[in-house]
Amino acid sequence: QVHLVQSGAEVKKPGASVKVSCKASGYTLTSYGMHWVRQAPGQRLEWMGWINAANGNTKYSQKFQGRVTISRDTPASTVYMEMSRLRSEDTAVYFCATLGIMDFWGQGSLVTVSS
Amino acid sequence: EIVLTQSPATLSLSPGERATLSCRASQSVSSSLAWYQQKPGQAPRLLIYHASNRATGIPARFSGRGSGTDFSLSISSLEPEDFAVYYCQQSSTWPYTFGQGTKLEIK
Repeated sequence: QVHLVQSGAEVKKPGASVKVSCKASGYTLTSYGMHWVRQAPGQRLEWMGWINAANGNTKYSQKFQGRVTISRDTPASTVYMEMSRLRSEDTAVYFCATLGIMDFWGQGSLVTVSS
Repeated sequence: EIVLTQSPATLSLSPGERATLSCRASQSVSSSLAWYQQKPGQAPRLLIYHASNRATGIPARFSGRGSGTDFSLSISSLEPEDFAVYYCQQSSTWPYTFGQGTKLEIK
C-alpha cells in the first residue's frame, strides 16, 4: 500500500527558508515522478514543480523558479521541497503527489509565514 | 502556460440531480486532462484521468468527456458525499496547471 508521509507544520519569519519532506513507502521511489502542489487558505491548487525521482531532473513553475528547489534522497525514499525568501503570501498547505494514473498524495504540510 | 478556466464557479444543486462542470483550456491539451475532488481539510482525490477514464474505485455516476480545449465532468445523480470542490488539471505541457475550481454546494 502506497503512503506519502510529509513533515510537520512549520512557522517561519519572512525572508527565511523552509524544507518540507515527503517520505514514500509501498513502492520504489524511482518508479514515479513527484510533484509539489500548494494551496493557500481558501484558494485554488497551485502546481509548483516536479522531480524525476529516477534521475533527479526537475521542472518548475516559472512563478517559483529560483526560489524553490526540489530534491530527492533515493536510499531514504524521500523527496524534499525547499523554498527560500519566504513571504506572507507563501502561507499555505504544501502537498507532495505523484499525480497521473497512479495518483497518491501526502497529507499536506502547513507552512505559516508570519513576523 | 496553459490557463484552465472552470465554470461555473459555484453550482447549487440538490441530491439526485445531475451536475455538469466545465473546464476550458487556453490551448489544446489533447486528452491530458484530469479531474479531482477535494473536501475541506483533505488532499484532492483523482476522479478522472486522460479526460474520460475513471480512476480506481470511482463510482460510475462520475464521467468525463472532451478533448482539445473543452472538457466536462458529469455526475449523473448527486449523492450527499459529492458536494465538494472540483478541479481540472492538465498534464499536456509544462508547467502543469490547475483550474480555479468549481464548488458544488447543496441547494
